[in-house]
Amino acid sequence: GDSVTQMEGPVTLSEEAFLTINCTYTATGYPSLFWYVQYPGEGLQLLLKATKADDKGSNKGFEATYRKETTSFHLEKGSVQVSDSAVYFCALSDRGADGLTFGKGTHLIIQP
Amino acid sequence: DTAVSQTPKYLVTQMGNDKSIKCEQNLGHDTMYWYKQDSKKFLKIMFSYNNKELIINETVPNRFSPKSPDKAHLNLHINSLELGDSAVYFCASSQALFYEQYFGPGTRLTVT
Repeated sequence: GDSVTQMEGPVTLSEEAFLTINCTYTATGYPSLFWYVQYPGEGLQLLLKATKADDKGSNKGFEATYRKETTSFHLEKGSVQVSDSAVYFCALSDRGADGLTFGKGTHLIIQP
Repeated sequence: DTAVSQTPKYLVTQMGNDKSIKCEQNLGHDTMYWYKQDSKKFLKIMFSYNNKELIINETVPNRFSPKSPDKAHLNLHINSLELGDSAVYFCASSQALFYEQYFGPGTRLTVT
């Protein structure tokens, strides 16, 4: 079946550091890929998406590129802020499955 | 305007009780979902409901039943609540299956 693997953390960085959160996937079809963010006490918000190989999703300074050859969708940001502290989820949507398949989430802590 | 809303936000109840969680979306989406998030933040699809077709995750106990009075609402009814049902339940909607999903704020259910 489909699965998503991401580093669980917590990942602790200083403000203005470079961020990478790794995400790899297995899927039977050609999935769409997503990053969601969950701030404390809130629901999930769609951060960015990519629907086909080599697509780059971007939003709020975050980027991720759909790499079919490495089955990866790593999240990056050049300079993180304290307000980026949250849990980040990588997810896929595959036409051979129902609903989103999520990774276990990565807790990101940004220190001033 | 809230896109996907859920009520109540918190629900504390005793084992054996029956409870319902309501979900409404004003996005005009055709598909709605219920997810369960456990204490370790892991998210798992419970149901998806698309054009009156219900797709059930086979691991969900039959004590859980979604009810959709119309396209904008998908309520979750839980019978005979158990301690292990304690979790945060998220409703989500999407334009169609396999599109990006938009999540509600969650309902934290505590069974004592």
